[in-house]
Amino acid sequence: DSGVTQTPKHLITATGQRVTLRCSPRSGDLSVYWYQQSLDQGLQFLIQYYNGEERAKGNILERFSAQQFPDLHSELNLSSLELGDSALYFCASSVGFLGGIGEQYFGPGTRLTVT
Amino acid sequence: AQKITQTQPGMFVQEKEAVTLDCTYDTSDQSYGLFWYKQPSSGEMIFLIYQGSYDEQNATEGRYSLNFQKARKSANLVISASQLGDSAMYFCAMRETYGGATNKLIFGTGTLLAVQP
Repeated sequence: DSGVTQTPKHLITATGQRVTLRCSPRSGDLSVYWYQQSLDQGLQFLIQYYNGEERAKGNILERFSAQQFPDLHSELNLSSLELGDSALYFCASSVGFLGGIGEQYFGPGTRLTVT
Repeated sequence: AQKITQTQPGMFVQEKEAVTLDCTYDTSDQSYGLFWYKQPSSGEMIFLIYQGSYDEQNATEGRYSLNFQKARKSANLVISASQLGDSAMYFCAMRETYGGATNKLIFGTGTLLAVQP
């Protein structure tokens, strides 16, 4: 158990809908990262937050947004869902970017299926 | 741009034997970090081992060791005494910046390892 929690574990929804994925980082970790794993794109970095502020953006669609709350949990919002958004979405956390080796601990993932 | 290449889509190994999973990387940074993660069929990503670009010794963690050859830009994972539970997908990853604004990871395409009894 990495200490990172993600809910829900599975999500099935229809095209055009909006969903919210939730992540709680390990105790003491200030950085939260979101990754998408799909068969055609592999594992891709989406976005990072550090202590409530956006730190880095990767290949995140405009239909997707995220935020990190004062209690450090994070939510990834996916809207106007398309079939191609079906993927495993991981949240990871690390202590920060100024300390340690920067290893990231991953949550169990949320498997999103868009039908 | 930084890139991670894993050229072995799949590998077989006999139980109790050692296996090497290949990883090459491309970066213009002088300071960087390399990681290996394991993803079993259950889906979670498990951190295995880390190698910093300035580390002079190869990293080891139990049965895992990282064969770091900086000049060749390779960071191969060696698993000694393979066990059935080692069957999984293995990803090599690079931290894009070190001590900078982000620690985002760039992943390779993975190698699926099957350990045979």
